Amino acid sequence: NAGVTQTPKFQVLKTGQSMTLQCAQDMNHNSMYWYRQDPGMGLRLIYYSASEGTTDKGEVPNGYNVSRLNKREFSLRLESAAPSQTSVYFCASRGTGANTEAFFGQGTRLTVV
Amino acid sequence: AQSVTQPDIHITVSEGASLELRCNYSYGATPYLFWYVQSPGQGLQLLLKYFSGDTLVQGIKGFEAEFKRSQSSFNLRKPSVHWSDAAEYFCAVGAGSGGYNKLIFGAGTRLAVHP
Repeated sequence: NAGVTQTPKFQVLKTGQSMTLQCAQDMNHNSMYWYRQDPGMGLRLIYYSASEGTTDKGEVPNGYNVSRLNKREFSLRLESAAPSQTSVYFCASRGTGANTEAFFGQGTRLTVV
Repeated sequence: AQSVTQPDIHITVSEGASLELRCNYSYGATPYLFWYVQSPGQGLQLLLKYFSGDTLVQGIKGFEAEFKRSQSSFNLRKPSVHWSDAAEYFCAVGAGSGGYNKLIFGAGTRLAVHP
């Protein structure tokens, strides 16, 4: 059972380049999330999708776009990468209900030089 | 707006000692609260959650947490820490308008365990 799969695991970009982080879940979850993790700041919510076809901004959406391609997949795009976007990115999925657990991918370590 | 505060950035305890990690939340309605653990280089794993009922909840790996509405707190405890508990711990609240789709995390507490 794969759970939440993120690709790639590591990436180095030059400033101004674009890229898309991919996330897929096989648990039939409605909600999916993208977080970034920076030292001393915990996990900050970038965007989330409560269901297929809907997306909403989180705490730090600037510089990012997302697509909920279908129920399984939720991608995060950096149109013009900046050094401030150097971070570890986590995708998560969660079932319906406020008390449900979120399941996390293994993360993508992105460095923008 | 909802938020989570973990006042302790870094805690060091001796193996076998008791542990308490603090978490305070801000949310206008009934909160749904979670504790997650992250081992180095790994994703996050759920330790326990609270959404209603008994305010003392038990989790995996011998952890427990107590919900105190009057103090807006959800502190994580363990009676005797093992070296393998060294990790980063995150408190989170499930919140959001029209429901609870957002999951907001605190900044985390990094736990070091001395032998």
